[in-house]
Amino acid sequence: LAKTTQPISMDSYEGQEVNITCSHNNIATNDYITWYQQFPSQGPRFIIQGYKTKVTNEVASLFIPADRKSSTLSLPRVSLSDTAVYYCLVGDVRNSGYALNFGKGTSLLVTP
Amino acid sequence: DVKVTQSSRYLVKRTGEKVFLECVQDMDHENMFWYRQDPGLGLRLIYFSYDVKMKEKGDIPEGYSVSREKKERFSLILESASTNQTSMYLCASSAPGANYEQYFGPGTRLTVT
Repeated sequence: LAKTTQPISMDSYEGQEVNITCSHNNIATNDYITWYQQFPSQGPRFIIQGYKTKVTNEVASLFIPADRKSSTLSLPRVSLSDTAVYYCLVGDVRNSGYALNFGKGTSLLVTP
Repeated sequence: DVKVTQSSRYLVKRTGEKVFLECVQDMDHENMFWYRQDPGLGLRLIYFSYDVKMKEKGDIPEGYSVSREKKERFSLILESASTNQTSMYLCASSAPGANYEQYFGPGTRLTVT
């Protein structure tokens, strides 16, 4: 399993763009990068997944440089409701017998 | 709509009791997972199953066992509950080849006294 490192916590004001970076220096060729969001008292929720370059959906963007040793989750114009824990996961997710390592995540606090 | 349900939201058990946590998914998913979540430790995988009657140990299987007799149901068993098993337990499921997109249940907060 590729080890990931992400900040324990981040603070932001409403309306700002938030970038959460995750380091995964020993990422393998078949590994994908996935991000989840978890609100208090709920299970995590899938946000976005990518392999290389940039992926964008209605919730976030994911930037992956060419060496794939890190990735950045970008949340545009955050609101108070984006306060949550964000998890970066790396693994060969096409393999059904393979499980993801959620780790401790980054706790994002958005304030007015 | 995708749904993963867990048998209880809150559960209080005594030390030494046998505890069953049930999880049911209605998405016909092959893969199912049990995690526990503790403050400061994040989510840790206990067991997972990628087919009926199949199971694989996760990072912290000690003190737990699982049962997968039917595709839609994955049970976590604490053979003899201990206070250090007080935690939030989360169940998830995913389609084959799509472990990146796991669907989680609401969680069961278990307290062992």
